Amino acid sequence: DAGVIQSPRHEVTEMGQEVTLRCKPISGHNSLFWYRQTMMRGLELLIYFNNNVPIDDSGMPEDRFSAKMPNASFSTLKIQPSEPRDSAVYFCASSIDLTTNEKLFFGSGTQLSVL
Amino acid sequence: DAKTTQPPSMDCAEGRAANLPCNHSTISGNEYVYWYRQIHSQGPQYIIHGLKNNETNEMASLIITEDRKSSTLILPHATLRDTAVYYCIATNQGGKLIFGQGTELSVKP
Repeated sequence: DAGVIQSPRHEVTEMGQEVTLRCKPISGHNSLFWYRQTMMRGLELLIYFNNNVPIDDSGMPEDRFSAKMPNASFSTLKIQPSEPRDSAVYFCASSIDLTTNEKLFFGSGTQLSVL
Repeated sequence: DAKTTQPPSMDCAEGRAANLPCNHSTISGNEYVYWYRQIHSQGPQYIIHGLKNNETNEMASLIITEDRKSSTLILPHATLRDTAVYYCIATNQGGKLIFGQGTELSVKP
């Protein structure tokens, strides 16, 4: 298996632009997670899905952030409009199901720079 | 979820055992201890987890004290590739993984 696949690997954009990050979980995994990592705040859980349904979005920082999972093999995290403080590495992770949420497989991340 | 406390950094000589401590004095009876590591520029990687018995796998050993208030992750023969940030997390099975600041382990030649 190729593991969790994220795209793009790097994204540079200007303030105010829309940014869409993409994630393909491991085939057969039913839970998907989005994390954000910065030097100041470390790794933060933003939102997670189970069977394509959002279970907990309490970590989503503000309304500018939205996440969707239209099917079992694809998820997006959108920021609109983007701001410089959104600059971070965004990780996607998947697990087999909710009972194993603590055993996550992470992607390589998307390095986002908002200028 | 129980709060965990780890030293911010540690050094270890290559080939020696690396012993990474973690305090989780408020851990509840149904919370497991999980260890992940993050090598620079990569996503975190699961290492091992346990409830109350000591555990061993191909990557590491986990020693949990009898009162479960602390644990130690042991890398038996550290290599340069083990240089990473190591995270100790206490959570229920099926619980969210909330990462702290971790321990930055530097393995030196």
